[in-house]
Amino acid sequence: EPEVTQTPSHQVTQMGQEVILRCVPLSDHLYFYWYRQILGQKVEFLVSFYNNEISEKSEIFDDQFSVERPDGSNFTLKIRSTKLEDSAMYFCASRPPGGRIQYFGPGTRLTVL
Amino acid sequence: KQEVTQIPAALSVPEGENLVLNCSFTDSAIYNLQWFRQDPGKGLTSLLLIQSSQREQTSGRLNASLDKSSGRSTLYIAASQPGDSATYLCAVPVVDSSYKLIFGSGTRLLVRP
Repeated sequence: EPEVTQTPSHQVTQMGQEVILRCVPLSDHLYFYWYRQILGQKVEFLVSFYNNEISEKSEIFDDQFSVERPDGSNFTLKIRSTKLEDSAMYFCASRPPGGRIQYFGPGTRLTVL
Repeated sequence: KQEVTQIPAALSVPEGENLVLNCSFTDSAIYNLQWFRQDPGKGLTSLLLIQSSQREQTSGRLNASLDKSSGRSTLYIAASQPGDSATYLCAVPVVDSSYKLIFGSGTRLLVRP
């Protein structure tokens, strides 16, 4: 069964460095999401993306964050200058047109030192 | 603003016991409610999605109920097994948004052999 995939599974970076988290959504899906979960806390919405533009973003999603669908298959989350508090599990999700279920990837654990 | 709460935060039961996990939400105008399972350090596995027009949804030993008017959902697990040990999350999409999900903080379940 097709699955949403994310790479890498674990990324360790130094504070101030840029990171790019990658996701491959399901092929017929048109709505894409990023969520994050800080250790021990709730899963929080970051951003949604449709038709090559951001459709909604949370207050967490500041100018340090950006998303892109560079090639029609990958969906990326870039953090320009990481901070310690960006350490979290980042989940990508996608949803088909007309569908109501979001399918989640396995997550990328980001550790900022 | 939609808020989702789950009680209890943690639950420990002996194998074979039937159990109920609770989820409540503040805004009853929902499209649906989704239950997820999360193993430690892992991604989100969708267990059940119950539509706003439904009262119950079943999958194997799992049964989810929904009472929109009271803002509650329950996840019933029959004949629990040690393999059911995980964190169970409920989430609702926000109406009039990009369908972003609002998550509860989860119930951490331990089924003792």
